[in-house]
Amino acid sequence: AQKITQTQPGMFVQEKEAVTLDCTYDTSDPSYGLFWYKQPSSGEMIFLIYQGSYDQQNATEGRYSLNFQKARKSANLVISASQLGDSAMYFCAMRPYGNNRLAFGKGNQVVVIP
Amino acid sequence: EPEVTQTPSHQVTQMGQEVILRCVPISNHLYFYWYRQILGQKVEFLVSFYNNEISEKSEIFDDQFSVERPDGSNFTLKIRSTKLEDSAMYFCASSEGRQINQPQHFGDGTRLSIL
Repeated sequence: AQKITQTQPGMFVQEKEAVTLDCTYDTSDPSYGLFWYKQPSSGEMIFLIYQGSYDQQNATEGRYSLNFQKARKSANLVISASQLGDSAMYFCAMRPYGNNRLAFGKGNQVVVIP
Repeated sequence: EPEVTQTPSHQVTQMGQEVILRCVPISNHLYFYWYRQILGQKVEFLVSFYNNEISEKSEIFDDQFSVERPDGSNFTLKIRSTKLEDSAMYFCASSEGRQINQPQHFGDGTRLSIL
């Protein structure tokens, strides 16, 4: 079974600053995908970024980037130039190769302040 | 951008009643999923569906639950004889394929409240 750990308390971030959200995972599967989702207060789940376990480079998607350290089993999300609309809950999730289910962490709460 | 749509956004049901949650996945997607999120807790996988049959289900997805693709566009989750602990946000998701780099795209969710 996969275990995703997100233990940071709620974070306040100044607008235009960068923020790093921690995610560690535990799996025995050699091949897997890592995903980050954003959940605003309205409740929807929005896909942000994907990182494959065999990808040589860290994933980037606009203002989002992943600091992927496979040996440490961590996949931290970096949001650059924070905007007020980035205030949300952020979930790290993983899916092993050949498996349908996403396993989610408990999430990190981010509040961006002007 | 195409999106997964879910109806209703909020459903209030008496305990013991049956409820059907509806989803329209993204049109060219072939894999469909249901997840739930009890208030303040993790998002949990319920079931995945492909080619008109369940491909995987979790231990949560017992005989109380069923899924169906009644036509070419809708994907439904039926909960029979609802219990108080079924109160949660239910998310439908879809993906183009099963490849690891194909993300699951979620709908806005249906908030189910059991009274």
